[in-house]
Amino acid sequence: NAGVTQTPKFRVLKTGQSMTLLCAQDMNHEYMYWYRQDPGMGLRLIHYSVGEGTTAKGEVPDGYNVSRLKKQNFLLGLESAAPSQTSVYFCASKQQGPTPSNYGYTFGSGTRLTVV
Amino acid sequence: QQPVQSPQAVILREGEDAVINCSSSKALYSVHWYRQKHGEAPVFLMILLKGGEQKGHEKISASFNEKKQQSSLYLTASQLSYSGTYFCGTVNTNAGKSTFGDGTTLTVKP
Repeated sequence: NAGVTQTPKFRVLKTGQSMTLLCAQDMNHEYMYWYRQDPGMGLRLIHYSVGEGTTAKGEVPDGYNVSRLKKQNFLLGLESAAPSQTSVYFCASKQQGPTPSNYGYTFGSGTRLTVV
Repeated sequence: QQPVQSPQAVILREGEDAVINCSSSKALYSVHWYRQKHGEAPVFLMILLKGGEQKGHEKISASFNEKKQQSSLYLTASQLSYSGTYFCGTVNTNAGKSTFGDGTTLTVKP
């Protein structure tokens, strides 16, 4: 049972380069999220999706774009990477139900991104 | 609005107890608790819904005081495996997104 899979696990980018982080889940979850975690800090929501074809901005969306073309995949893009985007990125998914807030998140193992 | 966790860090000996608090300035619908080991993903521990419900997971339990807009995580007879950073995630409305605190780092020593 894979759960939530993130690729790649590590990446070093030069300032101005672009890249896409892939998140895939096999639990048929409706809700998916992208968070960033900076050293010694909590998780900050970048973008999220409540279903296939939908996306919405979180707390820190600037410099990122997302797409959810398929229910199981949620892509995070950096068009022009900046050193301030050096962070660990976590994808998470959550089950939908009559009361979606009753369920916890399942997190992927993270992508450690360094922008030089 | 980000919830506030306290303390920021705590060091225990095996067998000792600890309490981690999570407070919000806004009304809460639910509170989630997670544990993250160094270099790993956060792992879901439990969720508490409004109503003052207390839940348990092994020797870890939690309470939720809706009126005070806060939750507490109780770790009893701590084990070495309890070491890690504990995060609370608060949800303000049904179907809302979680907002996470900055975490409490728990170190359990032999």
